[in-house]
Amino acid sequence: DQQVKQNSPSLSVQEGRISILNCDYTNSMFDYFLWYKKYPAEGPTFLISISSIKDKNEDGRFTVFLNKSAKHLSLHIVPSQPGDSAVYFCAASDTGGFKTIFGAGTRLFVKA
Amino acid sequence: DSGVTQTPKHLITATGQRVTLRCSPRSGDLSVYWYQQSLDQGLQFLIQYYNGEERAKGNILERFSAQQFPDLHSELNLSSLELGDSALYFCASSSAGGMEDTQYFGPGTRLTVL
Repeated sequence: DQQVKQNSPSLSVQEGRISILNCDYTNSMFDYFLWYKKYPAEGPTFLISISSIKDKNEDGRFTVFLNKSAKHLSLHIVPSQPGDSAVYFCAASDTGGFKTIFGAGTRLFVKA
Repeated sequence: DSGVTQTPKHLITATGQRVTLRCSPRSGDLSVYWYQQSLDQGLQFLIQYYNGEERAKGNILERFSAQQFPDLHSELNLSSLELGDSALYFCASSSAGGMEDTQYFGPGTRLTVL
């Protein structure tokens, strides 16, 4: 039972354009959401997060949008850079239940 | 460099064997998490410790066990290994162990079971 789904295994974007990575979740108890980025041969690194009381959080080129009614969040990267090429994991936390579930990841390719 | 260290980096062993993976958290972090990433899979949460005590348990098999020692380093023990246990095992740490805390990941241990 996949509670956090990233339905696109990969995404290719031209440098300078917007990258949009999507994530869906099924558990309404999730109240905190995170995105991690992972380069080959390294562990994931935290990128940005959002609490369920917000619908948007921005940090430089990265913005996360949360649509609670649709149980959907997305990560926007503008403008995309070749160094953004990595695997992006969406994660959802049930802060009361001490549970964090990760999605399967989306591999982003940013072409120069 | 996240500050989280994991040893060994690679481990090759045979079915039925037992291995121990080691993790040292970032200085000052009290909580340690273990994750498994199989081929083309996401990160599967295994278990979390906070200051030596088990805090949360995920999809950890009974053949697997973990502990966090007084110096806060942690070990993940995998026994009666099967081919399907081949995966990347990540350790992460956070300061207080809350689900809103940023988790800092180590580089992982790649386990290959032949």
